Amino acid sequence: GAGVSQTPSNKVTEKGKYVELRCDPISGHTALYWYRQSLGQGPEFLIYFQGTGAADDSGLPNDRFFAVRPEGSVSTLKIQRTERGDSAVYLCASSWDINTGELFFGEGSRLTVL
Amino acid sequence: AQSVSQHNHHVILSEAASLELGCNYSYGGTVNLFWYVQYPGQHLQLLLKYFSGDPLVKGIKGFEAEFIKSKFSFNLRKPSVQWSDTAEYFCAARLVNDMRFGAGTRLTVKP
Repeated sequence: GAGVSQTPSNKVTEKGKYVELRCDPISGHTALYWYRQSLGQGPEFLIYFQGTGAADDSGLPNDRFFAVRPEGSVSTLKIQRTERGDSAVYLCASSWDINTGELFFGEGSRLTVL
Repeated sequence: AQSVSQHNHHVILSEAASLELGCNYSYGGTVNLFWYVQYPGQHLQLLLKYFSGDPLVKGIKGFEAEFIKSKFSFNLRKPSVQWSDTAEYFCAARLVNDMRFGAGTRLTVKP
């Protein structure tokens, strides 16, 4: 596609449920980032992929959060046993490679945990 | 810890006023610096970036930013704002893989 695509755009779930958020990056982009943005805050780094491997997952808040990118393209962010504090907009961004620096963002997936 | 600070949370200006938004970073090495903008209901878009060379960089829509290494700053400027500049502005700094964003500055331009 022309841009970074994220689905779903909105997700409402109950506390304790499992959630998957999907990101389809721009074709050919090897680097893929996940960020989380809470109201009134800037994007908070979660994890970064270069190709299929997670090059840096130091931003994942705890072991309930996990992300994969099995074929080096689409990525899925997985959240287990969701908590109300997980409510935020989850942003995905992609880039040609780590050295170009410019990230292209998707529109985000808004997660609400009731 | 590496961080990016934006001094102004919310700035309100009238059209044609000049704009300067502050940004400071705490990275110690060679950093790449960015300003992103998020218009209401839209995704984050790149305004401008600094990698090396001339510390005064020009971006889209008349925006510019100056990298001052001694002050660890990368302030965003525009000589004359327009109503359509109403948006949220984010400064970001990248050191190798680590790209961090500031908390953002909301700009409201009154017509």
